[in-house]
Amino acid sequence: EVQLVESGGGLVQPGRSLRLSCRTSGFRFGDYAMSWVRQAPGKGLEYVAFVKSKNSGGTTEYTTSVRGRFSVSRDDSNSIVYLQMNSLKTEDTAVYYCCRDNGGNSRAVEFWGQGTLVTVSS
Amino acid sequence: DIQMTQSPSTLSASVGDRVTISCRASQSVDKWLAWHQQKPGQAPKGLIYTASNLQTGVPLRFSGSGSGTDFTLTISSLQPEDFATYYCQQYSGNSTFGQGTKVEI
Repeated sequence: EVQLVESGGGLVQPGRSLRLSCRTSGFRFGDYAMSWVRQAPGKGLEYVAFVKSKNSGGTTEYTTSVRGRFSVSRDDSNSIVYLQMNSLKTEDTAVYYCCRDNGGNSRAVEFWGQGTLVTVSS
Repeated sequence: DIQMTQSPSTLSASVGDRVTISCRASQSVDKWLAWHQQKPGQAPKGLIYTASNLQTGVPLRFSGSGSGTDFTLTISSLQPEDFATYYCQQYSGNSTFGQGTKVEI
C-alpha cells in the first residue's frame, strides 16, 4: 500500500522559514517523481513544486509564485521528499500535499498524502 | 502558464443521474490531462490520467475523454459517494489545475 505522510507544518511568522517532510512507503521511491501541491483555505489546488526521479536527473520545477523561495529535494536512501520554504508570505498559508506521480516522471498525480497545514501569520 | 477552465462550477444532480464535467485548456495539452476527486475534509484522490485511463481501483462508472484543449469527465450513474469536488490537472508543461466543479445533491 502506497503511503505518503507529511510533517513539519505549523504556524510561522512572515519572512521566516519552514521545512516540510514527506515520508513514503509501499513503492520503489527512486523510480518515481514527487511533487507538492497546496490548497489555501476554501480554495482550489495549486501545483507548487516537482522533482524528477534521480534516474532522470532529479530535475526540479516550481510554480512562478514560489520560484526562488521554495526548494524541493529528495533523499532516496530514506524515501523522503522535502520542501524547504523560505521568505514565507501570508499568501503561502495552505494545506500542503505530498504527491507521487503515476510513472514516467509525468507530473500526473496518482497518490496524495493527507496534507500538512502551514499558517503564515504574525 | 496554461490556464484550465472547468464548467460548470457547481452541478446539482441526483443519485442515478449521468453527470458530465468539462475542462478546457488555454492551449493544447495533447492527452496530458488528469482528473481528481476531493471530498470535504479529505485529501484529493486520483481518478484518471492521460485523459481517459482510470487509476487502479477507480469504479468503471467514471470515464474521461478528449484531447487537445477540450476534455470531459463523465459519471455514468451517480452514486451517493460521488458527491464531491472534481478537479482537472494538465501536465503538458508546468502543471496547473482547474478551479474545480462541485457536484452536490
